[in-house]
Amino acid sequence: QSALTQPASVSGSPGQSITISCTGTSSDVGSYNLVSWYQQHPGKAPKLMIYEVSKRPSGVSNRFSGSKSGNTASLTISGLQAEDEADYYCCSYAGSSTFVFGTGTKVTVL
Amino acid sequence: QVTLRESGPALVKPTQTLTLTCTFSGFSLSTSGMCVSWIRQPPGKALEWLALIDWDDDKYYSTSLKTRLTISKDTSKNQVVLTMTNMDPVDTATYYCARSPGTGNFDYWGQGTLVTVSS
Repeated sequence: QSALTQPASVSGSPGQSITISCTGTSSDVGSYNLVSWYQQHPGKAPKLMIYEVSKRPSGVSNRFSGSKSGNTASLTISGLQAEDEADYYCCSYAGSSTFVFGTGTKVTVL
Repeated sequence: QVTLRESGPALVKPTQTLTLTCTFSGFSLSTSGMCVSWIRQPPGKALEWLALIDWDDDKYYSTSLKTRLTISKDTSKNQVVLTMTNMDPVDTATYYCARSPGTGNFDYWGQGTLVTVSS
């Protein structure tokens, strides 16, 4: 179970849109529509933002959206806001009730 | 209201066994499809999934740590326990427990507990 690959950092100006990629393999991201995304502010626990590739939990802004193509999943944040500055992690089901997380992406709002 | 809280020692010595307890409320681990996982995060590093136990008492472990981990549950006490043997300084991390409602994600997390491994 190797970690999913994410860019180390992504930045954007307020109001812009950014996209974070999450690349796995045909054994995890490519095989299951069970990719989730988590936002983590410093010193806080992760928060679920997207599940099952593109579904948003109740209470999560519709500025957050997810998609998947082949072995790569993506998280898009539109209308970037200062409060979106955080670390973001993807996670994929990897079969046999196991999971693998991504390497994490630091989002900076310029 | 779903809550989870981790508890355990803040400091363990190398080679010792770590025992962490996750006490939860607002859901039942005997509900079909319900699971609880342990996830850790070394300081400044990424999240790492460790283990999962489901409503049917089936247990699943990270391939790389399988030989060192044991997960168990006490449904009557609403607790899930993780033990990790032969602790090493590289195991220094914040350990989280999280609920997984059978949809391949972790929807509720505890606040985490920092465990430092040092002599």
